[in-house]
Order: sequence, then C-alpha cells, then structure tokens
Amino acid sequence: ILNVEQSPQSLHVQEGDSTNFTCSFPSSNFYALHWYRWETAKSPEALFVMTLNGDEKKKGRISATLNTKEGYSYLYIKGSQPEDSATYLCAHDQTGANNLFFGTGTRLTVIP
Amino acid sequence: NAGVTQTPKFQVLKTGQSMTLQCAQDMNHEYMSWYRQDPGMGLRLIHYSVGAGITDQGEVPNGYNVSRSTTEDFPLRLLSAAPSQTSVYFCASSQQVNYGYTFGSGTRLTVV
Repeated sequence: ILNVEQSPQSLHVQEGDSTNFTCSFPSSNFYALHWYRWETAKSPEALFVMTLNGDEKKKGRISATLNTKEGYSYLYIKGSQPEDSATYLCAHDQTGANNLFFGTGTRLTVIP
Repeated sequence: NAGVTQTPKFQVLKTGQSMTLQCAQDMNHEYMSWYRQDPGMGLRLIHYSVGAGITDQGEVPNGYNVSRSTTEDFPLRLLSAAPSQTSVYFCASSQQVNYGYTFGSGTRLTVV
C-alpha cells in the first residue's frame, strides 16, 4: 500500500481569493485519481475522476489537473466563496478495481 | 432515489459483542466498499465488492466480514468488537470502475 499525500493540511483564504492544493501519489500502478469534497456533518461528494496524464477537469469554479508521470494532481478554486469551505480529499486507485486509497485531506476555510 | 443508506447511524457496543452494519443502495451500482474514518487518518478501505457474489479485502480487513448476496446490499459484520474498532464507518457505491463513489451518511460506532 503506497501513500497518498495532500498539502497543505489546512488553509484559510479570504472570500474572492483563488487557491490551490496538491495531491501526491505513487506514479507506479496508476489507474485513476479521484477528488472529493467533504463538508462538515455531511458525506464525501465526488468532484472529479481523472485517468489520463494531462487530464484537466472543471466544474464551475473548481478545476483539477493530473500528472501521472510525476505523481501529482492539483485542485484549483477560483474566487473562493464561504460555501467552498470543506475538506477536499484525493484518492488513488492503484488496482484498477476502483479501490481507493485516500489522503488525509486539505481543510479549506473561506473567510467572508 | 435514496442513494446509499446506512443503518444504524450510531451504535455503542461492549467489547466482544458482534453486530452488523447495514448498507443498501438503490442505484444498481456494481461496486461497493466499506471505509473507516479515524482522526488524523484518511478513509481506509476495509472490504470491497465488484459485484454480487464477489468480495475482497481492503487495507484494514481484520475483525470484519462482508458478503454480497444481492447487488443492493453490502453488510459489514464485526465478529468480536474491540475498542480499536471505534470509528466512523462509511459505505460507498460506484456505477463502474473510474466512476466516483456515492457515500452513505456514516455509522458512528463506539466500542467500550
């Protein structure tokens, strides 16, 4: 089992700021990289699933990129809003069976 | 659609007791998984299933048992509860490989 690392662990940004966080994963045995958003007192919600090197996904103000050769993915949030406050998880599928190994998340707080 | 339904939401067990955490989904998803969430750690995979009749172990399977007799249901059995199994348990389902997971609302289990 190979580790998935996320950084930073937490960050606070002002409303309107753009921000990004990193997910690092082993570049060997890559099948897919998932991003989830987890709001307090709720369940994780899928944002993106990326499978190909160079993939870019976008959903509203949130986007993600993937580099499988060097083993990292970035999640970007443009013009952060208070409702973006959540923990953002990434997860790596190392087996091709949709088994996910999760990082510990980046906790984002957007200050109004 | 109800999505992924987990019961119970809360449970307190005494050491040595056994119990079953229930998970049901109504989306006809093939892939189902059980995760546990502990403070400071990412979601960790306990067991997973890629279809009815097929199950396999994840990262932390010891002390847990699963079966998948139907597409809809994926119960998790604690054989003899231990304090180390105090955790929040999430069941999740996915339509197919490389699709995001839909998570249940979780079961908070305390073993005393």
